[in-house]
Amino acid sequence: SYELTQPPSVSVSPGQTARVTCSGDALGNQYAHWYQQKPGQAPVMVIYKDTERPSGIPERFSGSTSGTTVTLTISGVQAEDEADYYCQSPDSTGFYPVVFGGGTRLTVL
Amino acid sequence: QITLEESGPTLVKPTQTLTLTCNFSGFSLSTSGLGVGWIRQPPGKALEWLALIYWTGDKRYNPSLKNRLTVARDSSKNQVFLTLANMDPVDTGTYYCAHRGGGDSLLDYFDYWGQGALVTVSS
Repeated sequence: SYELTQPPSVSVSPGQTARVTCSGDALGNQYAHWYQQKPGQAPVMVIYKDTERPSGIPERFSGSTSGTTVTLTISGVQAEDEADYYCQSPDSTGFYPVVFGGGTRLTVL
Repeated sequence: QITLEESGPTLVKPTQTLTLTCNFSGFSLSTSGLGVGWIRQPPGKALEWLALIYWTGDKRYNPSLKNRLTVARDSSKNQVFLTLANMDPVDTGTYYCAHRGGGDSLLDYFDYWGQGALVTVSS
């Protein structure tokens, strides 16, 4: 099976920059998408196609890619950004068209 | 405005078949580029993709669960169905349906989600 690897947790203080990484062998030639999930709520897409931000998502959310790692960056973190974040991407063969990472818990100190 | 809502049993017994319905509005599954996916989440664990049905009628399944899954649609009623056979306690979790973004591209991502349906598997 294909795996996307995320750190289990990231902690930052309010106003700082948080970076959540996602690594996978196919990420060099496949787009990744990011979701935010707060406790008891459904996921919300915050980044698609590596760097695109859906309407209504604050500008402090951005995405980038380098090699086989994609990164979700949250600039000027606010308390309301505390949540789980998941990356999503396919494998390179299409056998696994949708794969989610294991998720990263962002804690705002 | 796109909305999706999952419905189905909250409790199923081991070996039974789960059937969930996704009722959606604000789009038609007959429209080119659109689709509906199913994703689940065991309590305290990560998201797991299950299935996708496209506007063409094509279906894709998680290979790890393919022999147990079936996805179907009733476009006239704006409904998508998911069946998962031979339920086990490890299948306990929240089941989400979601609107596929990506349009006519080959990209599959989910830009609108239902609130989820909690399903417990227990005898």
